[in-house]
Amino acid sequence: AQSVTQLGSHVSVSEGALVLLRCNYSSSVPPYLFWYVQYPNQGLQLLLKYTSAATLVKGINGFEAEFKKSETSFHLTKPSAHMSDAAEYFCAVSVFKAAGNKLTFGGGTRVLVKP
Amino acid sequence: DSGVTQTPKHLITATGQRVTLRCSPRSGDLSVYWYQQSLDQGLQFLIQYYNGEERAKGNILERFSAQQFPDLHSELNLSSLELGDSALYFCASSEGRNTDTQYFGPGTRLTVL
Repeated sequence: AQSVTQLGSHVSVSEGALVLLRCNYSSSVPPYLFWYVQYPNQGLQLLLKYTSAATLVKGINGFEAEFKKSETSFHLTKPSAHMSDAAEYFCAVSVFKAAGNKLTFGGGTRVLVKP
Repeated sequence: DSGVTQTPKHLITATGQRVTLRCSPRSGDLSVYWYQQSLDQGLQFLIQYYNGEERAKGNILERFSAQQFPDLHSELNLSSLELGDSALYFCASSEGRNTDTQYFGPGTRLTVL
C-alpha cells in the first residue's frame, strides 16, 4: 500500500521568500504524484502532477516540484511567495491498479504568508 | 472552476438521520470518486465508480453507500448519522478508470448535531 508523509503541518514564510513544502512517499511500484492546493472554504485544485515523464514538474502559479526516486521525495517549491499563496497544500500518491484508482493524501501543510 | 458540481453546499442534520449528497462529474469523465475530509482523519478515499460500476473501495462505513447513474452523476448516501460523520465530503472525477488526474468539486459540508 502507498502512503504519503508531509513534513510540517504549518509553514510560515515572508512575502517574496522561497516556499518549500516537503513530501515523502512510500510505494512498492512506480507512483504517480500530485500536489493539490485548498483555499479556505474551497475544494482541491490541482497544482501539478508527476507521471513518470520529466522529473522536474512545473505547475500553475509558479510552483514546481522535483521527483527524486532515491529519496522517495516530491517536494514543492516556489521561488517567491505571494500573499495569495496562503492556503493548505496536499501531496498525494496513486498507483496503477487494474482494480481502480484512488489518491492517498498526506496530512497537509498550511502555509501562512507574512507581509 | 473544476467543472465538478456538488449539491448541497451545506447540510445540517441530526443524529440518526439519513442524507444524500449529489455529484455531477466534468463533461466526458466516466469515473467519480468520493472523499471525506475531517480534522482527525484528514482526506480519506471512500469509493470510486467507473461508468456505473464500483471500481475501488476505501474506508467507507457500512452505513454509507454510493451509486453512479446512467447519466454519470453520483450520489453518496449516509445513514444512521453520528456526530463523527460531520466532515467535508468531496466528489472528484476523471476521464478514465486508472491513474488519470482527478478534478475535485467544491465539497458538501455535513454537520451532524
